[in-house]
Amino acid sequence: EAGVTQFPSHSVIEKGQTVTLRCDPISGHDNLYWYRRVMGKEIKFLLHFVKESKQDESGMPNNRFLAERTGGTYSTLKVQPAELEDSGVYFCASSSPKTADIQYFGAGTRLSVL
Amino acid sequence: AQSVTQLDSQVPVFEEAPVELRCNYSSSVSVYLFWYVQYPNQGLQLLLKYLSGSTLVESINGFEAEFNKSQTSFHLRKPSVHISDTAEYFCAVSGVGDDKIIFGKGTRLHILP
Repeated sequence: EAGVTQFPSHSVIEKGQTVTLRCDPISGHDNLYWYRRVMGKEIKFLLHFVKESKQDESGMPNNRFLAERTGGTYSTLKVQPAELEDSGVYFCASSSPKTADIQYFGAGTRLSVL
Repeated sequence: AQSVTQLDSQVPVFEEAPVELRCNYSSSVSVYLFWYVQYPNQGLQLLLKYLSGSTLVESINGFEAEFNKSQTSFHLRKPSVHISDTAEYFCAVSGVGDDKIIFGKGTRLHILP
């Protein structure tokens, strides 16, 4: 069974540009989460999807961030326009309805905004 | 709301020596507790978890952690570390019924030859 996959693994962009990160959860996992780790700080929750619906987006830093999960499968996280402080590692995780307490994480996307 | 404190940002230890990575949490509700590990150039992996039942939980690679409710701790221990244990370890908590995971800042474990 494939794990959570994230694309790209690393993205380098200039301030003001747009970047889209993608996450493919484990097949059958209705719950999908985005987290972010800014250098030197904790991994912090951004938002939670249940299927295609946003269950909790309390961690989204501002309206430059837009997350979507069309059809309840893969999810994208768009940053537009990117700022220097957006640099960090973005993790995606998924969990199944039966074992919702256990989240499985992807390898992350390292975003560098120059 | 919950919070997690990992007291050590880095822990150096000689190979085959024992190690303890400390973790304290705070919460006003019942919690689930986790240790995640990130090996170099890899993603986060669940190492072990406490959901309910026995307060001592073990991983397949020799780590164990004990949930201590009175001290609000969930320290991670291994009696004898190996070079392959070199990684960053994250203690994490979630409120029962709450899907959001709160992470500590992480502890880098350096194994010295």
